[in-house]
Amino acid sequence: DGGITQSPKYLFRKEGQNVTLSCEQNLNHDAMYWYRQDPGQGLRLIYYSQIVNDFQKGDIAEGYSVSREKKESFPLTVTSAQKNPTAFYLCASSVGGFTDTQYFGPGTRLTVL
Amino acid sequence: KNEVEQSPQNLTAQEGEFITINCSYSVGISALHWLQQHPGGGIVSLFMLSSGKKKHGRLIATINIQEKHSSLHITASHPRDSAVYICALPSGNQFYFGTGTSLTVIP
Repeated sequence: DGGITQSPKYLFRKEGQNVTLSCEQNLNHDAMYWYRQDPGQGLRLIYYSQIVNDFQKGDIAEGYSVSREKKESFPLTVTSAQKNPTAFYLCASSVGGFTDTQYFGPGTRLTVL
Repeated sequence: KNEVEQSPQNLTAQEGEFITINCSYSVGISALHWLQQHPGGGIVSLFMLSSGKKKHGRLIATINIQEKHSSLHITASHPRDSAVYICALPSGNQFYFGTGTSLTVIP
C-alpha cells in the first residue's frame, strides 16, 4: 500500500532533550513538508523540501532542523532551542510543489515534560 | 491581520442539511486547497482548485480568484462529515492556513 507514515504516534520527552520525528513515504513524491498544529490554531509550515538534498525554511523554522538524504524520508529534529515544542506534528508529501495535492501522515503528538 | 479568514468557526447541523463553509483571503494565489481533519488528527486533502468549481460525491468546492473567496459545500450532510475543514493557500514560497471550521452533524 502506498502512503505516508509517521512514527511514533505519541512521544514524550524531557525539557532540554533533542527529539527526532520520523516521516517516510513510498508515493515517489518529490516534495515533503513538516507542519505544526497547536490547539485552536491553524497549521504552520516548519520546513519543506522539494528535492533530495535540498530544503527550505517555512514560517516557524527556529528550533527545528531537517534532512533530506533520501527521497522517501524527511526526519524532523526538535531541538532544545525550540521554546514551546509541545504540539501535534504533521508530515505531508506531494508530487511537486505547493499547488499539488498533499498527502498527510497520521501525525505525531509530542509532549515535552 | 490574518491572510486567511474562515467562517463560520463552528457549525452544528442536522443530518441532511446543506452546509456551506467560506474562506476569504487577502494574498495572491494561483490555487487553493480544502482539507478535512478528523477528530483523531489525520488530514485528508479534499480539493485543490484554481478556478471555477469541483465536485466529488456530496462535496462541492468553488473559487472566485478575483473576489478572493472560496466556498466548500456539503449536500445531504451526514454524521460522518463531522470534522474540521481547513482552507490552505500556497502563495509564493509561503503556505497560509485558515484556523478551520469545526462541523458537527447531528443524526
